[in-house]
Amino acid sequence: DAGVTQSPTHLIKTRGQQVTLRCSPKSGHDTVSWYQQALGQGPQFIFQYYEEEERQRGNFPDRFSGHQFPNYSSELNVNALLLGDSALYLCASSHRQGGEQPQHFGDGTRLSIL
Amino acid sequence: EDQVTQSPEALRLQEGESSSLNCSYTVSGLRGLFWYRQDPGKGPEFLFTLYSAGEEKEKERLKATLTKKESFLHITAPKPEDSATYLCAVQPPFRGGYNKLIFGAGTRLAVHP
Repeated sequence: DAGVTQSPTHLIKTRGQQVTLRCSPKSGHDTVSWYQQALGQGPQFIFQYYEEEERQRGNFPDRFSGHQFPNYSSELNVNALLLGDSALYLCASSHRQGGEQPQHFGDGTRLSIL
Repeated sequence: EDQVTQSPEALRLQEGESSSLNCSYTVSGLRGLFWYRQDPGKGPEFLFTLYSAGEEKEKERLKATLTKKESFLHITAPKPEDSATYLCAVQPPFRGGYNKLIFGAGTRLAVHP
């Protein structure tokens, strides 16, 4: 049973560029959440997708956008990259009807901005 | 504002030396509290969910407990392979039915032989 998979594992970009990160949820899950984890900090919630729509959003600027596809996979897009966007980007999946069931995480994409 | 604070930031133990990690939270209407383990370069790995004050969960050398304001992760006779960052997260009341998590900064645990 495959868990949450993310690609790529590492990425190096320069300021002002844009980036797309990808996530495939755990089998049976229909909800995808994205988190940003800076070095030495806990993950910070970016947004959550269900039924191909953004359902909830954290305190992140509009430069951060996403998409969910009919097969429940998801993309995170970041435009006009800043040095401060350097972080580990984590995708988590869960089942909408699972209520308080735990979210399962992938191993993330390490994004470095030069 | 919903907030999670973990202490200590870092903890160094000798193998076999038991201890506890603390997670205090301020959120009205807690839906669930989650403990995760994170190894370097990896994503968080789910350990426990606690739903109500007084609840306890155990797994091998780990036991998690919950009160109305905080949770503890007790580590009994730890081994070097228990070294990791332990993250606590809370789930605030559903808003539209969706379940974001609010994380603390974590406790970095190092267990030495």
